[in-house]
Amino acid sequence: DAGVTQSPTHLIKTRGQHVTLRCSPISGHKSVSWYQQVLGQGPQFIFQYYEKEERGRGNFPDRFSARQFPNYSSELNVNALLLGDSALYLCASSLTGGASYEQYFGPGTRLTVT
Amino acid sequence: GNSVTQMEGPVTLSEEAFLTINCTYTATGYPSLFWYVQYPGEGLQLLLKATKADDKGSNKGFEATYRKETTSFHLEKGSVQVSDSAVYFCAEGPHSGGGADGLTFGKGTHLIIQP
Repeated sequence: DAGVTQSPTHLIKTRGQHVTLRCSPISGHKSVSWYQQVLGQGPQFIFQYYEKEERGRGNFPDRFSARQFPNYSSELNVNALLLGDSALYLCASSLTGGASYEQYFGPGTRLTVT
Repeated sequence: GNSVTQMEGPVTLSEEAFLTINCTYTATGYPSLFWYVQYPGEGLQLLLKATKADDKGSNKGFEATYRKETTSFHLEKGSVQVSDSAVYFCAEGPHSGGGADGLTFGKGTHLIIQP
């Protein structure tokens, strides 16, 4: 079975632009979470979606938004990009959004903002 | 908010040495606890987990015990190999009763095993 897939692998954008990152969860998984990993740091939680509804949000500005589609894939959108948004963006899927919470991570999208 | 603290790296050991990577958490209650590993050029992989006090998670020779009294989840391995070289992340998740917030990760510990 395929693992979590993310696209694109790498992306270079200019300050002020908008970006959309995509994620497909493991087949059968209904929850998708997004994390930002700045170089040298641990991942930071951005959003969790379960059954197409937002179930959790981390401490990120409103420039960050996401959605989950009926097939459980997800998009992360970032508006008005800042240099500080440069990071590895990780998507993780899990069976549910509850206590089992064993998350499986994708390879990430490396975003560079210049 | 909650936070996870793990020992600073890099940690450099010789092959077959004993490994301990310390991890402490601040969440109240009974969060689930995890160790993730990131090998060079690869994504995060779940190494082991524990969901309640005194549980021991284990995998690939690694072990960690959920210690509520010291709010710790230290990672140990009796004899490390060169192939264990990677970055290790300690993380806490929602309480065993549920919850929708994401994982809180430590900053990671870079482990280097020399032949």
